[in-house]
Amino acid sequence: NAGVIQTPRHKVTGKGQEATLWCEPISGHSAVFWYRQTIVQGLEFLTYFRNQAPIDDSGMPKERFSAQMPNQSHSTLKIQSTQPQDSAVYLCASSVTTYEQYFGPGTRLTVL
Amino acid sequence: GMPVEQNPPALSLYEGADSGLRCNFSTTMKSVQWFQQNHRGRLITLFYLAQGTKENGRLKSTFNSKERYSTLHIKDAQLEDSGTYFCAGSRNMGYKLTFGTGTSLLVDP
Repeated sequence: NAGVIQTPRHKVTGKGQEATLWCEPISGHSAVFWYRQTIVQGLEFLTYFRNQAPIDDSGMPKERFSAQMPNQSHSTLKIQSTQPQDSAVYLCASSVTTYEQYFGPGTRLTVL
Repeated sequence: GMPVEQNPPALSLYEGADSGLRCNFSTTMKSVQWFQQNHRGRLITLFYLAQGTKENGRLKSTFNSKERYSTLHIKDAQLEDSGTYFCAGSRNMGYKLTFGTGTSLLVDP
C-alpha cells in the first residue's frame, strides 16, 4: 500500500499560468478530499468527492479553481491563471467513507 | 470565534517531560483526528476518535463530543516528538475536517 500519492511534489509557475495537481487515493477508498495549507490561513478544506461524485466544494475559491475525479483512481485540482496568493501546499486525503482520512505528502505550489 | 481553538500555540519540553495539548470546538463534532506534521510536511495520523480515550505508546488522546473538546497527552517526551501537532474535527462521519491552528512542539535534550 503506497498510501495517497500526489504529483508533482513541487511546482513552480509564472503568474497567469495554469497548474494541475494530481492525487491518487488509496485503493478501495471511496472519499477524496483536497485541502490547502498556508502560513496565514493554516489548513483549510477545499473540496471533496465520494464515489467520484462532488459532494462539497464550499472551500474552493469561486474563480479559477476546479476539481475533478474522472475515475476512482485519481483526482485533479486545476488552478487557472495562477496568482501569487495561490502559493501553498495542496494536500489530498482519502478515506473509507466514515473513517479517518489519510493524507498524501502534498504538492508545494509556488507562483512567481 | 475560531471553530477549533488549539492550545498552546507553542510548547518547549525537555526530554522525559510530560505535557498536554487541547482543542476546543465551537460546534459539536462527531469525530476528531490528531496529526503530527513532520519536518517534511507530511501529516501523520496519531489518533482517530469518535468518543472516549485511546492510547498508543507514550501518547494518549481523549475526545468528549458533548463537552466539545479533545486532548492529546505526551508522556516521556523524546527528541523525535518535535514537530507541529494538529487536531481536526469532523461534524459528520466521513465529512470534511476543520483543523486547529496547530501546536509547535520542540523537545530539547
